[in-house]
Amino acid sequence: DAMVIQNPRYQVTQFGKPVTLSCSQTLNHNVMYWYQQKSSQAPKLLFHYYDKDFNNEADTPDNFQSRRPNTSFCFLDIRSPGLGDAAMYLCATSREGGDTEAFFGQGTRLTVV
Amino acid sequence: AQSVTQPDIHITVSEGASLELRCNYSYGATPYLFWYVQSPGQGLQLLLKYFSGDTLVQGIKGFEAEFKRSQSSFNLRKPSVHWSDAAEYFCAGGMDSSYKLIFGSGTRLLVRP
Repeated sequence: DAMVIQNPRYQVTQFGKPVTLSCSQTLNHNVMYWYQQKSSQAPKLLFHYYDKDFNNEADTPDNFQSRRPNTSFCFLDIRSPGLGDAAMYLCATSREGGDTEAFFGQGTRLTVV
Repeated sequence: AQSVTQPDIHITVSEGASLELRCNYSYGATPYLFWYVQSPGQGLQLLLKYFSGDTLVQGIKGFEAEFKRSQSSFNLRKPSVHWSDAAEYFCAGGMDSSYKLIFGSGTRLLVRP
């Protein structure tokens, strides 16, 4: 049974057109993460929520925003996608940080045309 | 700075042969260490993790990893590789004080018939 679900699996958007990716979890975990993974690279953390507390990585572009309306859902908003934002976006959850296992969704492949 | 290094970008082994994927870490203290596997177009799945205690850790799918503090290493091993093991493998580290997983750059495993 899927525990971290990302929709859609594939998203095509136009250059500069806002796009939203969604993630939901059935694990009731406190922490939700968004990672960006470009081709043949390691996942790079964009930001995370601990409950409702938002934590942005220092090098995450302002173009990327996130919302977590409740425990189960988290959204990644890209305000004005550029060609360089084409990537796989991975959502993950964990009960806590540090030593607790992160559970990943299957990812959303974003293409910018 | 904290880092996780995977020195091998690609590794090719024959089906049935043994496998070792290397991972080195650089942290101020011993981090929590993880190995994840990623099949093409998919999210990451946890293979195993090391927090403390026994330095030889058993994981899923017949994988194991050995933590060696003296070498700052956490190498992943499997005695006999199956064709279905072909995937990208990521080593990652985490700390109590942080929610951030630091990933290595990944090793792509190819399996020869």
